[in-house]
Amino acid sequence: SYVLTQPPSVSVAPGKTARITCGGNNIGSKSVHWYQQKPGQAPVLVIYYDSDRPSGIPERFAGSNFGNTATLTLSRVEAGDEADYYCQVWDSSSGRVVFGGGTKLTVL
Amino acid sequence: QLLLQESGPGLVKPSETLSLTCTVSGGSINSTTYYWGWIRQPPGKGLEWIGSIYYSGSTYYNPSLNSRVTISVDTSNNQFSLKLSSVTAADTAVYYCARPMLQGAPPWAFHIWGQGTMVTVSS
Repeated sequence: SYVLTQPPSVSVAPGKTARITCGGNNIGSKSVHWYQQKPGQAPVLVIYYDSDRPSGIPERFAGSNFGNTATLTLSRVEAGDEADYYCQVWDSSSGRVVFGGGTKLTVL
Repeated sequence: QLLLQESGPGLVKPSETLSLTCTVSGGSINSTTYYWGWIRQPPGKGLEWIGSIYYSGSTYYNPSLNSRVTISVDTSNNQFSLKLSSVTAADTAVYYCARPMLQGAPPWAFHIWGQGTMVTVSS
């Protein structure tokens, strides 16, 4: 089955840029979605279809997807961005939604 | 504003069937062409998709759970439901219902989520 690989943790200083990767075999051929989840809360969609932002999501959140890696980029990181981030795709070959294992973003 | 609310028992015994309902308010399940989904998250772990259902009853299930999962829709009550049979401690999780950003077939980006309900499997 299709596997999405994320780093368990990423640390960044406030005001800097954080990049969270999501690796998968030829993931560039799939549509990737990203979620932010804070403790005790439901996930929030922050990027869909690789690089689109839902209404209300700041422009500081950006996504890209090429080759075997999709990337969520958070610019000008704030303390409030500290959360778990998950990538997600649809694997048509197995007919299932696949989530990455999640990345804990720590703002130093 | 569309709202989703999960409901059901918070404690289920091993080998029994877990049953949850998601009530949709602020919009009608059968007036649009969304697939409505169930996703779960074991304590301290990541997200796992369980399955999704169309208002007509067409379903997609996670193959790893397929033999134990049934998702149904009740358009008259604007609800959809999850049944997971033969549960074990591994099924202990927060269960979320969710609606995608866009209508129609996958790939789905889950945009509107319920608050989640914790279900513990224990005797």
